Amino acid sequence: RKEVEQDPGPFNVPEGATVAFNCTYSNSASQSFFWYRQDCRKEPKLLMSVYSSGNEDGRFTAQLNRASQYISLLIRDSKLSDSATYLCVVNIYSGNTPLVFGKGTRLSVIA
Amino acid sequence: NAGVTQTPKFQVLKTGQSMTLQCAQDMNHNSMYWYRQDPGMGLRLIYYSASEGTTDKGEVPNGYNVSRLNKREFSLRLESAAPSQTSVYFCASTQDRGLWGTEAFFGQGTRLTVV
Repeated sequence: RKEVEQDPGPFNVPEGATVAFNCTYSNSASQSFFWYRQDCRKEPKLLMSVYSSGNEDGRFTAQLNRASQYISLLIRDSKLSDSATYLCVVNIYSGNTPLVFGKGTRLSVIA
Repeated sequence: NAGVTQTPKFQVLKTGQSMTLQCAQDMNHNSMYWYRQDPGMGLRLIYYSASEGTTDKGEVPNGYNVSRLNKREFSLRLESAAPSQTSVYFCASTQDRGLWGTEAFFGQGTRLTVV
């Protein structure tokens, strides 16, 4: 089983739609969780961290379920500019150890 | 504020040639990483350096060597390039953010083609 698994995608949604991405991780010792965004032919950039209590940043909501080892990202009112690949990222410790990336889920928002 | 700088951005090599990818960060981060990204494979860790003077193998280290020259610089060397090393290479750095974990900053990537 891969350490971090994501929905395969691609997701093609109309503008204004709500879309949810899921991610599961295999290592129960994982402590830090993130969603990164990667635009075509660009480097990944942090979208948001995922906190145990769940967190929201504008149209984006991240949830963590430690019991099920499951992370989600919800995007409301999708914009054309949300089109990108979304990477689920897990870190076992809060120190300087390697981050483990999921393969990413591609989102295309269509006018 | 440059962040993480990688050079070169593009490179074409012939099989058997060698080259070094350079990476430098100006954020005083302790840890630096080299990833490769291939279609359908996601980001895979090649090598990382948790601090100046230390390096460790990642998931796919074969065919590569690294040098942590100082706190700022972390280079990746291909001694004898092979077509299987055609990929996009990303350098990244992290600084622990304490309770909330570690944010990674990436360079813009190097697109390498080995023919």
